[in-house]
Amino acid sequence: RKEVEQDPGPFNVPEGATVAFNCTYSNSASQSFFWYRQDCRKEPKLLMSVYSSGNEDGRFTAQLNRASQYISLLIRDSKLSDSATYLCVVRTLRSYNTDKLIFGTGTRLQVFP
Amino acid sequence: DTEVTQTPKHLVMGMTNKKSLKCEQHMGHRAMYWYKQKAKKPPELMFVYSYEKLSINESVPSRFSPECPNSSLLNLHLHALQPEDSALYLCASSHLALAGGSYEQYFGPGTRLTVT
Repeated sequence: RKEVEQDPGPFNVPEGATVAFNCTYSNSASQSFFWYRQDCRKEPKLLMSVYSSGNEDGRFTAQLNRASQYISLLIRDSKLSDSATYLCVVRTLRSYNTDKLIFGTGTRLQVFP
Repeated sequence: DTEVTQTPKHLVMGMTNKKSLKCEQHMGHRAMYWYKQKAKKPPELMFVYSYEKLSINESVPSRFSPECPNSSLLNLHLHALQPEDSALYLCASSHLALAGGSYEQYFGPGTRLTVT
């Protein structure tokens, strides 16, 4: 079983749609959780951290359920510019002062006009 | 400023060449990372430096040799690579991990390496 699992998609949605991505992780000792966005042939860019209380940044809402080891990302009012791969990322502490990010395989989103 | 810079952007090298990739950040981060990313795959961790000391080597072949000359710079020395080493090499940096902290990693634009 992979440490971080995501539906690879692709998700093809029209502009203005609401789309949700889900992610599960296997290590219950995981410390922190993130969503990164990666455009084709570019580096991953931090979209948002995910907190237990849930958090929102404009059209983006992230949720974390530690009991179910489940993370979600909701995008409202999709824009063409939202087309990208969304990476679910989990941070685990490997040793004192050293951590490791575990990446999901990514979910591809394509927003069409 | 959350900028991590990497040079060169593109590199083509033969299997007998020696080359180096460079990474720089000025965010005061004391953890720096090298990742390798193949097409349509997520980044794979190669090395982690904490306080300029190598703290994680993910069983990377010795033809990849990392170096951290100071707290702002990270190099990856390449020698006798194989065609299957062709990939996007990403550098990242973050504040040091502390239990309970949430220190995001910031990635550079990467070096696209082709080994012929």
